[in-house]
Amino acid sequence: EAGVTQFPSHSVIEKGQTVTLRCDPISGHDNLYWYRRVMGKEIKFLLHFVKESKQDESGMPNNRFLAERTGGTYSTLKVQPAELEDSGVYFCASSQRAPGSGYGYTFGSGTRLTVV
Amino acid sequence: SQQGEEDPQALSIQEGENATMNCSYKTSINNLQWYRQNSGRGLVHLILIRSNEREKHSGRLRVTLDTSKKSSSLLITASRAADTASYFCATSNQGGKLIFGQGTELSVKP
Repeated sequence: EAGVTQFPSHSVIEKGQTVTLRCDPISGHDNLYWYRRVMGKEIKFLLHFVKESKQDESGMPNNRFLAERTGGTYSTLKVQPAELEDSGVYFCASSQRAPGSGYGYTFGSGTRLTVV
Repeated sequence: SQQGEEDPQALSIQEGENATMNCSYKTSINNLQWYRQNSGRGLVHLILIRSNEREKHSGRLRVTLDTSKKSSSLLITASRAADTASYFCATSNQGGKLIFGQGTELSVKP
């Protein structure tokens, strides 16, 4: 079984540019989550998809961030325009089980975003 | 912090020694999970302990959970240089969202 795949692994962009991160969850996993770790600080929740619907987007920092999951398969996270404080590692995770059911999540290897 | 504290923030030990990391949390939980992040890589799920469990083992890992104190500990026995990584605890409630601690940077010297 393929794991959670994130693309690109690294991205360096200038302030004001747009970047789109992609996450391919494990096939059949309805639940997809985005997290990020900024500047070596704690890992923070961004949002949760169940299939194509946003179940919880309470962690999205502002309207410069747009997440989509068309068709309930892969997801994209667009940052437009990027700011310096957006630099960090963006993680995606997927889960087949219902939230809170007591099973761990499978995380991707992350996208390291550097805004200069 | 959403989660509370993890301590220590950094831990340096010699190979073969045991490493203990602690985590405290603030809210009620369904389960608590520990993850590892090797430098520049993704998060790897290590072990999950449910709120009705007090202790769990997996290989060289031992996790305890004290819901009355809202705290957990991760013990790595007979550490190896390959255990060098950042370790995070994360709690999960009914909604499924993970709330992470700030992490412990573990360095195991050969």
